[in-house]
Amino acid sequence: GENVEQHPSTLSVQEGDSAVIKCTYSDSASNYFPWYKQELGKRPQLIIDIRSNVGEKKDQRIAVTLNKTAKHFSLHITETQPEDSAVYFCAASNTGTASKLTFGTGTRLQVTL
Amino acid sequence: NAGVTQTPKFQVLKTGQSMTLQCAQDMNHNSMYWYRQDPGMGLRLIYYSASEGTTDKGEVPNGYNVSRLNKREFSLRLESAAPSQTSVYFCASSERAGGHNSPLHFGNGTRLTVT
Repeated sequence: GENVEQHPSTLSVQEGDSAVIKCTYSDSASNYFPWYKQELGKRPQLIIDIRSNVGEKKDQRIAVTLNKTAKHFSLHITETQPEDSAVYFCAASNTGTASKLTFGTGTRLQVTL
Repeated sequence: NAGVTQTPKFQVLKTGQSMTLQCAQDMNHNSMYWYRQDPGMGLRLIYYSASEGTTDKGEVPNGYNVSRLNKREFSLRLESAAPSQTSVYFCASSERAGGHNSPLHFGNGTRLTVT
C-alpha cells in the first residue's frame, strides 16, 4: 500500500517568513495530493490540493509543488501570519478502485511574532 | 447547512463497554469515512462507504463495525471497547462515489477515552 512520509514534524518560523513542508510517497500510481490544516482542537480542513497532471498550484499565500519523478510534493506558505499556526497534513491517493487516501503524520507549524 | 455532524463530542467508556458514534451529512455526498487520530500518527482510515449500501475496511478496522444507514448517515460501533481505542474519531464525507481522490469534509470529532 501507499506510504507517505512528512517532514519536518515541527517547524517554527517568524511572522513574515516562509514555511516549507515536504512529503514523499511510495506508490507511483498516486495522482491526488491534498493538504489539510488542523487548528488546535478543531477538525482538519482542506487548504489546497493538486493532481498529477500539474506541477504547481497556487492560492494566495499558499502553493503546492509536485515532482512525480522523485515522488515528492511540498507545501509553501509565504508571508506567514500567526493564524497560520496549526498542524498540516499531506496525503496521497490514486483513482484505482482499491485506492485509499493515506495521510502523513503531520507538521506542527508555529508562527512567532 | 451544517455540513458533517458527529455525536457525541466526548465519551468515556470502561473496557468492555459498547457504544455507537453517529455521523450525518447534509451535503448530499456519496462517500463517507471514519478516521481515528492518534498523536504522531496522522489520520488513519477505519472504515469507509463508497456509496449508499456499501462499506469497506480501511487501514485499522479491527474492533469496529459500521453501518451506512442511508445516504446521509454513517455510524461507527465499538462492540467491546479497549484502551487501545482511546483516540479522537473523525467522520468525513466527499462528493464522489468511491472518491478517495476528492476533498474530504470532516466533522468536529469525538474524543473517546477507554479506561
